[in-house]
Amino acid sequence: EPEVTQTPSHQVTQMGQEVILRCVPISNHLYFYWYRQILGQKVEFLVSFYNNEISEKSEIFDDQFSVERPDGSNFTLKIRSTKLEDSAMYFCASRGTSGVDTQYFGPGTRLTVL
Amino acid sequence: AQKVTQAQTEISVVEKEDVTLDCVYETRDTTYYLFWYKQPPSGELVFLIRRNSFDEQNEISGRYSWNFQKSTSSFNFTITASQVVDSAVYFCALSEGAGNNRKLIWGLGTSLAVNP
Repeated sequence: EPEVTQTPSHQVTQMGQEVILRCVPISNHLYFYWYRQILGQKVEFLVSFYNNEISEKSEIFDDQFSVERPDGSNFTLKIRSTKLEDSAMYFCASRGTSGVDTQYFGPGTRLTVL
Repeated sequence: AQKVTQAQTEISVVEKEDVTLDCVYETRDTTYYLFWYKQPPSGELVFLIRRNSFDEQNEISGRYSWNFQKSTSSFNFTITASQVVDSAVYFCALSEGAGNNRKLIWGLGTSLAVNP
């Protein structure tokens, strides 16, 4: 069964460093998302991406964040200068055509900023 | 505004008990989708069910059942004869039907502990 994959599973970084979180969505999906979950809290929407551009972004997704689909398979989230409060689990999700509305999630990347 | 409320933060039951997890939603759209996801201790988000706003039929899948009632804006989830493996955080989520985005709006989750 096709699945969303994410790498790395755990990333530890120093405050101020740049990180890139990688996702490989399900191959025929068209809509891509990043969410984050601070430990013990609810899942929060960060950004959605369709047709090579951002469809919507939340207030959390400020200038420090960017997304890219550099090739036909990867979907990346970059945080330019990490802060302590960026420590969270980051989930990538993908969805098929507009008639199929289920978002399938990757296993997540746990980001720890020291 | 869209909102999902899961009023139960934590529930603890003994194995084989039935348990219902509540979900109440708010939306102005007439077309929307409701979801339940399970987050086991390992941390991944596992899709359980999707319901669209035009389909109020209840659904049963093994020990799991869902009761969707538009009149009360609720989409409750019942686990029958709970098992220890059901221990997880369960999230209810909403997406609205218009446009390409369809981001998910999440409830706070209900942490279910099933004790032997």
